[in-house]
Amino acid sequence: GAGVSQSPSNKVTEKGKDVELRCDPISGHTALYWYRQSLGQGLEFLIYFQGNSAPDKSGLPSDRFSAERTGGSVSTLTIQRTQQEDSAVYLCASSLVESNTQYFGPGTRLTVL
Amino acid sequence: AQSVTQLDSQVPVFEEAPVELRCNYSSSVSVYLFWYVQYPNQGLQLLLKYLSGSTLVESINGFEAEFNKSQTSFHLRKPSVHISDTAEYFCAVKGGATNKLIFGTGTLLAVQP
Repeated sequence: GAGVSQSPSNKVTEKGKDVELRCDPISGHTALYWYRQSLGQGLEFLIYFQGNSAPDKSGLPSDRFSAERTGGSVSTLTIQRTQQEDSAVYLCASSLVESNTQYFGPGTRLTVL
Repeated sequence: AQSVTQLDSQVPVFEEAPVELRCNYSSSVSVYLFWYVQYPNQGLQLLLKYLSGSTLVESINGFEAEFNKSQTSFHLRKPSVHISDTAEYFCAVKGGATNKLIFGTGTLLAVQP
């Protein structure tokens, strides 16, 4: 079946602009995660959604970062007033709620000039 | 809190030689352990996982890992590597009430002919 998909695959933006990154989880997966992969920080957890529960936002690095999940499926990660240190690959993953196994998408490479 | 240590940032090895990629974790609660592989310019793929039961787990492409609770380790091994195994390998832990994965810094396996 179809895996996790993310769009765009690459995004180049100018410092100070807002960006939106999209994630489509595997059909039927109710848990959705965002991670960031950067040279300096490695792989970091950002945010976790599970059904209608309040999301776990403990990994968001600043209030410029936000995410939402509409209809329990698609998720959008928004970065406002981007900074150069936001340059990274943003990875989305999904899982069945009763499973401990997360499946990752191909990522969105964000470059902030 | 959990943490993962991958001491080797890069492991060069000749084709058909055996390899071991080391992973140690720290946790005060029971954990689930994972190895993910990332091929160049691709997302993370699940290689194998330990959730419970047998401490030796295997992947379909010849890798295996053994959960050692006393040594808090989950080293990845393969008896004979191929050029196509060249990739970055990430060890990850998930434990307690948290749903996020904590990743190590990754080990680049570089297989040479």
